[in-house]
Amino acid sequence: ETGVTQTPRHLVMGMTNKKSLKCEQHLGHNAMYWYKQSAKKPLELMFVYSLEERVENNSVPSRFSPECPNSSHLFLHLHTLQPEDSALYLCASSQVGSGPGEKLFFGSGTQLSVL
Amino acid sequence: AQTVTQSQPEMSVQEAETVTLSCTYDTSESNYYLFWYKQPPSRQMILVIRQEAYKQQNATENRFSVNFQKAAKSFSLKISDSQLGDTAMYFCAFGIRHDMRFGAGTRLTVKP
Repeated sequence: ETGVTQTPRHLVMGMTNKKSLKCEQHLGHNAMYWYKQSAKKPLELMFVYSLEERVENNSVPSRFSPECPNSSHLFLHLHTLQPEDSALYLCASSQVGSGPGEKLFFGSGTQLSVL
Repeated sequence: AQTVTQSQPEMSVQEAETVTLSCTYDTSESNYYLFWYKQPPSRQMILVIRQEAYKQQNATENRFSVNFQKAAKSFSLKISDSQLGDTAMYFCAFGIRHDMRFGAGTRLTVKP
């Protein structure tokens, strides 16, 4: 079993739909992340929840809304998305405080298609 | 702002040969980490190797080693004795605490 589990693996949605992506980590980490991976582009950090503090990339549109109810679970709520939001969404976790560069542990991602 | 550049979108290598993937980065920080991650077709990113910026000695992990040139802000990955299972996307990353920046990746194909 992987340490970071993401569901669903694939998601197709219309622009008027509302859906949520789920991530769960079983590693006892204290930080969780959402990344967006688009073809031929660097991974884009969207949101970080670290030690109960939320850090966000100011360029992420408000149609993406994260939620982190506890240190093991992370959600990404999606509403009124655009076709250009189609991408692979990766969740990751780490143990903040173990040094200046903690290792990230990733899930297998949710491949999102917006029609 | 930290940026990471991978100038080789695609590379290929014959099985058992050696290949080097390039990465450069830009930062004004002095204490940071550098990483190489591998993403096979399963999509899950896997850490290959990590280098601490304050260490001059290059990190090695079995067949994987890095050439870290801090002054030049260069961080290349060398894969020795390439195996078919090494076929994947490889991402170079720069990290300070929870701020991790990635390059656009290099697609490596190992040919039999």
